Amino acid sequence: NAGVTQTPKFQVLKTGQSMTLQCAQDMNHNSMYWYRQDPGMGLRLIYYSASEGTTDKGEVPNGYNVSRLNKREFSLRLESAAPSQTSVYFCASSGASGGATGELFFGEGSRLTVL
Amino acid sequence: GESVGLHLPTLSVQEGDNSIINCAYSNSASDYFIWYKQESGKGPQFIIDIRSNMDKRQGQRVTVLLNKTVKHLSLQIAATQPGDSAVYFCAENIRGYQKVTFGTGTKLQVIP
Repeated sequence: NAGVTQTPKFQVLKTGQSMTLQCAQDMNHNSMYWYRQDPGMGLRLIYYSASEGTTDKGEVPNGYNVSRLNKREFSLRLESAAPSQTSVYFCASSGASGGATGELFFGEGSRLTVL
Repeated sequence: GESVGLHLPTLSVQEGDNSIINCAYSNSASDYFIWYKQESGKGPQFIIDIRSNMDKRQGQRVTVLLNKTVKHLSLQIAATQPGDSAVYFCAENIRGYQKVTFGTGTKLQVIP
């Protein structure tokens, strides 16, 4: 039972480079999310997708774009990476009840360093 | 703006003792309050939630208490074990908004 799978797990970029973080879930969940986590801080919502075909901004969307490719997959793109985007990125998903209660299922995280 | 925060950044507890992790919230419109556990190098894992119309909910070795009068949330872990060592986050959700807001986290250290 894979749950939420993120790739890559680690990535080092130079300032100005672009990259895409991939996320897939196998739980048939409608909603998917991208969070970032910085040292000593909680998780901050970047973008979310309440259902296939829709995406919305979260708390810190600047510098990011997302694509809900299908019900399973939700990708996060950095068009021109900046050192301030050095962080651990988590993808999450939730089912019908989870969207109400806040029960999210998280991936293992993608650790991104921008030099 | 509205926020969810924690009183203590680090909590050290002797193995076998009970742990209490506290959280203050400010958004009175939240419908659910949730506790997550994050072990080192892993993603957060759902522990338990409580609806805003409840004041107590129990799970396996965990109890969540909600005091809406003072906007306070706590997580009690009974008979704390080494495997409980992790960072614990409180979070809140407003039904239908799809935006779970997380606090900054408390690190629980269990002393063997």
